[in-house]
Parts: sequence; structure tokens; C-alpha cells
Amino acid sequence: AQTVTQSQPEMSVQEAETVTLSCTYDTSESDYYLFWYKQPPSRQMILVIRQEAYKQQNATENRFSVNFQKAAKSFSLKISDSQLGDAAMYFCAIAFGNEKLTFGTGTRLTIIP
Amino acid sequence: ETGVTQTPRHLVMGMTNKKSLKCEQHLGHNAMYWYKQSAKKPLELMFVYNFKEQTENNSVPSRFSPECPNSSHLFLHLHTLQPEDSALYLCASSQDRAYEQYFGPGTRLTVT
Repeated sequence: AQTVTQSQPEMSVQEAETVTLSCTYDTSESDYYLFWYKQPPSRQMILVIRQEAYKQQNATENRFSVNFQKAAKSFSLKISDSQLGDAAMYFCAIAFGNEKLTFGTGTRLTIIP
Repeated sequence: ETGVTQTPRHLVMGMTNKKSLKCEQHLGHNAMYWYKQSAKKPLELMFVYNFKEQTENNSVPSRFSPECPNSSHLFLHLHTLQPEDSALYLCASSQDRAYEQYFGPGTRLTVT
């Protein structure tokens, strides 16, 4: 079974600063996919970024980037130049093969103006 | 309408009521999902439909009954619920059970 752990229930960051959200996971698979999803207060969950485990290069998407450490089974999300619209719950998730997504418990990110 | 829509957005029901949640996706996807989201718990996958066929049922109590008449619509029929069933119910869709799932806004359900 796969598990995903997000050890930071809440985080806050000053606007325009950088913040890193942590995620660790456990899987016996060698080929899998990792995701960060964002759920703003309006509740619509959206995909922020994805990483294929076979790729060594860390994924980036504008101000969002990941630090993927396969050996350590760590997948952190870095948000640069934080904006008020980044305030949300952030969920880390893993999937392999054609199987379902397994989510972590989430990190609530607050942006301080 | 675009993306994934869900109705109603909020629902309050008694334990003896029968109600249904509706989900519609406008993305041309062929897989649809029901999730339950409770406070401080990971999202719980309830049901998966692929090409209208149920491919997964994660030991969900029979008081939750899904229906998928076509690839664009998904229902969750509710009856004799318990207070612990109060939660946000999220619908999602994807193409070919791929990993990038698109979520609806959810239905906030309160069972009294």
C-alpha cells in the first residue's frame, strides 16, 4: 500500500517570499507519479504540478517547483514570490500504474500581506 | 458550463431522507470518481467509473449508491445517512483513468 505524509498541517509566508511545503511518501513501486493539488477556499481542487518518478529533472511550473528526492522518498513544493491567491490547502498525491491517487492530509497555506 | 460541475453545492438532510448528488463533466473524459473529504483526513476515494462501468468500490456502506448513466454524468444517491457522513463530497473526472484528475467544487453535506 502507498502512503503519503504531509507533516505540516499549517504554514504561513509573507507575500512575495518563498515557502516550501513538505511531502514524504512510501511505495514499493519503482515507477510512479507524484502530484501537488491546490484547493482554494472556493473548494475547487486544481492540479498544480506533476512529477514522473523516472525523470531526474525536477518539474517546474511558473512560480511552482518541486524538489524530488527519490531515494529519500521526498517530494516538496516550493512556491516563489508568494501571492495572496496562493492561499489554499495543498495536497500531495501519488499514483502508479493505472491506479488511484493516494492523497496526504494537506497543508493549509496562509499568505500574510 | 465548463470543467466539472456539481449540484447542489450545499445539502442538509435528516437521517431518514433520500437525496441525490449530481456531477457532470464537460471535458470529454471517460472516467469519473466520487471522493469524501472530511476535516483533517486524506481524501477518501469512494467509487470509480470507467466508461460507465464501476471499476472500484472502496468498501463504501450501502447507504451510498452510485449511478453512472453515461460518461458525462455521475450521481450519488443517499439514504438513511448517519451524522458521521457529513463531509464535502467531491466529484472528479479524467481521461482513461489517467492521473490528472479534474475536480468539481464539491457538495457540502450535513446530516442532522
